[in-house]
Amino acid sequence: DTGVSQNPRHKITKRGQNVTFRCDPISEHNRLYWYRQTLGQGPEFLTYFQNEAQLEKSRLLSDRFSAERPKGSFSTLEIQRTEQGDSAMYLCASSHPTGAAFFGQGTRLTVV
Amino acid sequence: GIQVEQSPPDLILQEGANSTLRCNFSDSVNNLQWFHQNPWGQLINLFYIPSGTKQNGRLSATTVATERYSLLYISSSQTTDSGVYFCALNTGNQFYFGTGTSLTVIP
Repeated sequence: DTGVSQNPRHKITKRGQNVTFRCDPISEHNRLYWYRQTLGQGPEFLTYFQNEAQLEKSRLLSDRFSAERPKGSFSTLEIQRTEQGDSAMYLCASSHPTGAAFFGQGTRLTVV
Repeated sequence: GIQVEQSPPDLILQEGANSTLRCNFSDSVNNLQWFHQNPWGQLINLFYIPSGTKQNGRLSATTVATERYSLLYISSSQTTDSGVYFCALNTGNQFYFGTGTSLTVIP
């Protein structure tokens, strides 16, 4: 068990391009969370999966954002038509229903 | 919504000093965790502590769920303790994070 893995670690993209991030949770963790963090702020909730079902989605998540967890294992977060305001650290975490959550190293997105 | 408040917002310590970080929350808790965010941005899990007291080396934490607060104690601080400390509550489908305490330990 190597912990939560996120790829890529860094992404620089031009405004208007689409980007996709991947999160591989700790095996057998059925809960998976995506968060976004900007400089000087605490992490903000984006969305939550239990197995393959997306059970909660923040109102912060515009229609340009979509997340999937097709087989209840890894998850992807896609941002379409990126904007400069999307620049942030995107964090993924996983947990058992009654256990601690563990975060990955994050994907730092810069939109230029 | 659920409110999570951390204090102090900023803390500067001389190496070797002790400190207490506080987390107040507005709702009952299923799961409370303390994290340390390292300089590269990763959130490192320190404690999973919905209630009671736990210790891990120089760090310990106490949660009094009935009074809706949690404390993180750092003893004999080291420069590697520098960074931002977050508490986070999970009441179901998401974690609610506090605004963090930024700790700087100077040699």
